[in-house]
Amino acid sequence: QQPVQSPQAVILREGEDAVINCSSSKALYSVHWYRQKHGEAPVFLMILLKGGEQKGHEKISASFNEKKQQSSLYLTASQLSYSGTYFCGTSGYGGSQGNLIFGKGTKLSVKP
Amino acid sequence: DTAVSQTPKYLVTQMGNDKSIKCEQNLGHDTMYWYKQDSKKFLKIMFSYNNKELIINETVPNRFSPKSPDKAHLNLHINSLELGDSAVYFCASSQGLGGMFFGSGTRLTVV
Repeated sequence: QQPVQSPQAVILREGEDAVINCSSSKALYSVHWYRQKHGEAPVFLMILLKGGEQKGHEKISASFNEKKQQSSLYLTASQLSYSGTYFCGTSGYGGSQGNLIFGKGTKLSVKP
Repeated sequence: DTAVSQTPKYLVTQMGNDKSIKCEQNLGHDTMYWYKQDSKKFLKIMFSYNNKELIINETVPNRFSPKSPDKAHLNLHINSLELGDSAVYFCASSQGLGGMFFGSGTRLTVV
């Protein structure tokens, strides 16, 4: 089942912070975060596995609440280069753990 | 060197034709994927494949078929193309439960 992302879109000024949420109705084994710029391929940011939390970048981090089946992506002191659409991808248990189901994305626009 | 490369980048074809998209990865990853991204930017998994197992999304029409000559290649064949097949198709690869690396995409337009 497709995870639900919120908000759908957000507009920031440079230097502001943002939080993007991703929630699932089923038990999760892992959550991935990707950023896609217009006309380009999605780029891997980080992965969070059951039982752990991983910070992928200096100003971009994420949390994973297994009990609530939710993950949040935190972008601090945003830069113009952060603009793009952010996708969370989730995988459950079983043989298809590597197969990600992506949310509909959150469009982030950072203005000067 | 491009980690995941796919060709062609653009593909315009008529309804009813058969076409193929090629994908190669030089990362030594054990799993490869095909994703479809529609006009609303929704990324939908079509197939995943490693040496042992092909997992097919049950919603994918059987006109679509993956072909893997070896571990580094996963091509996508599409028969009897329809207007609704127009989309961007992304190939990707991963190792174990690690992050996924995407190719640059193939924009397919069916006219």
